[in-house]
Amino acid sequence: GAVVSQHPSRVICKSGTSVKIECRSLDFQATTMFWYRQFPKQSLMLMATSNEGSKATYEQGVEKDKFLINHASLTLSTLTVTSAHPEDSSFYICSASSTYETSGGRNYEQYFGPGTRLTVT
Amino acid sequence: QKEVEQDPGPLSVPEGAIVSLNCTYSNSAFQYFMWYRQYSRKGPELLMYTYSSGNKEDGRFTAQVDKSSKYISLFIRDSQPSDSATYLCAMRRGSSASKIIFGSGTRLSIRP
Repeated sequence: GAVVSQHPSRVICKSGTSVKIECRSLDFQATTMFWYRQFPKQSLMLMATSNEGSKATYEQGVEKDKFLINHASLTLSTLTVTSAHPEDSSFYICSASSTYETSGGRNYEQYFGPGTRLTVT
Repeated sequence: QKEVEQDPGPLSVPEGAIVSLNCTYSNSAFQYFMWYRQYSRKGPELLMYTYSSGNKEDGRFTAQVDKSSKYISLFIRDSQPSDSATYLCAMRRGSSASKIIFGSGTRLSIRP
């Protein structure tokens, strides 16, 4: 269980165009989804937190008009990179949060998608 | 200073060796500590999850947390070539949907 998918897995686009990346929780409902960016040999950097039905919360330094996030349902969030430029080339990873009950109480975990590699030429 | 420090490696060890991976952190508010494994061009996969100080064992993997020293470790016993990956430590403050802070990751290679 707790599978998160992303589509596409890889995309190449020309500078100035827009690209949409989808993130789906396949077997659970995710109230909250997260979008990360990872540059080569670097760690994951959180871009924004997305709650179903409300506006995303962006991290400092992330342009909300450039990285449009829509979380229209409990199983789908989309990230649109608008007017992409070569410096936007990166590995974009989403995660979806799920809560579950344990003997010690309610627990929470994030499950990560396989990532989308964006190359802007 | 980064909130979470992790040696990027690369670390290369022979098959069967015990591997020790470590992270230090500066924020004493962190309570939940995780280790993720990430294969090349793939998303991170949760390996170990620990709350507060102590040890946790799962098969060949052992996670240790020392909150007094702000130091966490992951040990891999009987390492296999399939363990070759980047290992990311991560931590967060609360149990709800709070922000996860990742280390930069350590690239590990297990030589057959």
